[in-house]
Amino acid sequence: QQQVKQSPQSLIVQKGGISIINCAYENTAFDYFPWYQQFPGKGPALLIAIRPDVSEKKEGRFTISFNKSAKQFSLHIMDSQPGDSATYFCAAARSGNTPLVFGKGTRLSVIA
Amino acid sequence: GAGVSQSPSNKVTEKGKDVELRCDPISGHTALYWYRQSLGQGLEFLIYFQGNSAPDKSGLPSDRFSAERTGGSVSTLTIQRTQQEDSAVYLCASSSLFHGADTQYFGPGTRLTVL
Repeated sequence: QQQVKQSPQSLIVQKGGISIINCAYENTAFDYFPWYQQFPGKGPALLIAIRPDVSEKKEGRFTISFNKSAKQFSLHIMDSQPGDSATYFCAAARSGNTPLVFGKGTRLSVIA
Repeated sequence: GAGVSQSPSNKVTEKGKDVELRCDPISGHTALYWYRQSLGQGLEFLIYFQGNSAPDKSGLPSDRFSAERTGGSVSTLTIQRTQQEDSAVYLCASSSLFHGADTQYFGPGTRLTVL
């Protein structure tokens, strides 16, 4: 049973465009939703995270939109840059430092 | 300060051998996690330590896998009688209830290749 479904698997975006990655979760007990960015040969690094008490969170060019009723959340990368080319993982967990359940990842390529 | 470190960075072993992978979490972090990342797959939870509580082993794929955490700090993941399907990147993460609660900081991983 895949508890967090992520799409698309891969994404190609023109420089300056908007990258959008979507995730859906099943377990309503989840109340912590982070996005991780991973470059080849490196461990994942936290990009931005949201909790269900807000519907949107923005940090620089990165925005999470959260829809609690639909059990969906998405990552928007504005003004995408070649340096944003990486694999992005959404995840979900219950608060209190519990294990993360990850989506399968989206490989983003930003082309000039 | 120093992040999560893992050793070795790469490990090549023969089928049937035992391997030990090491994780040094961020100092003071009470929670430590092991995940596995297989080629083309997402990250799969293996085992989780929180303070002095009994570890959550619910993600271990078989009894060939075990882990321990000594003195509430360093952790070792042991895989006995390795199989080719164990080939993956093994990632360790740590977090603190008091600093950036819930944020898990990942190490660079150990790439395990079983021939």
